[in-house]
Amino acid sequence: DTAVSQTPKYLVTQMGNDKSIKCEQNLGHDTMYWYKQDSKKFLKIMFSYNNKELIINETVPNRFSPKSPDKAHLNLHINSLELGDSAVYFCASSQDSTGELFFGEGSRLTVL
Amino acid sequence: AQKITQTQPGMFVQEKEAVTLDCTYDTSDPSYGLFWYKQPSSGEMIFLIYQGSYDQQNATEGRYSLNFQKARKSANLVISASQLGDSAMYFCAMSPYSSASKIIFGSGTRLSIRP
Repeated sequence: DTAVSQTPKYLVTQMGNDKSIKCEQNLGHDTMYWYKQDSKKFLKIMFSYNNKELIINETVPNRFSPKSPDKAHLNLHINSLELGDSAVYFCASSQDSTGELFFGEGSRLTVL
Repeated sequence: AQKITQTQPGMFVQEKEAVTLDCTYDTSDPSYGLFWYKQPSSGEMIFLIYQGSYDQQNATEGRYSLNFQKARKSANLVISASQLGDSAMYFCAMSPYSSASKIIFGSGTRLSIRP
């Protein structure tokens, strides 16, 4: 059983489209995250949810909207996709204050 | 503000040699956690090792050890007896306990092991 699973793993789409990436964790963790990894491999936190509540919202365009229907799921919806949105998006979860992250396999988004 | 710095964008090491990957950090939080993650070419992120800021001893996990020097704000990863499978990107990360949900990453070091 995959602990943190993301779908889709690959997404190729045109500029201007709207797309979603789904994430589910079966670890019983309270906190979930979205990270963006750019072409230079830099990992930047985008959002963090704790028990369905948004607790971190970094400087991210409001075209990006996370949604957490329950604490096991954190989906990422992106409106009006731009070329610069092309990246690998990682979902992750953690339980306690030590903050060890469990990552999903990543979703590679390519905007043409 | 928290900051993580990895000054080595890339390193080449001969197989079976030990290698040290540098990481320095900056935080005003008195309590924090430090991590290392490995990202092989397949793309997944693999947790390697954790060090709490109040831990007296340096963390070790198999061939991985974390050389924690609190006064210097450094948390270098040491890999002993490197193997070809160690070739990957390595990321240092920090989580301040006051905001444990904000885990920030360094820019990474690409390690290549030569046979």
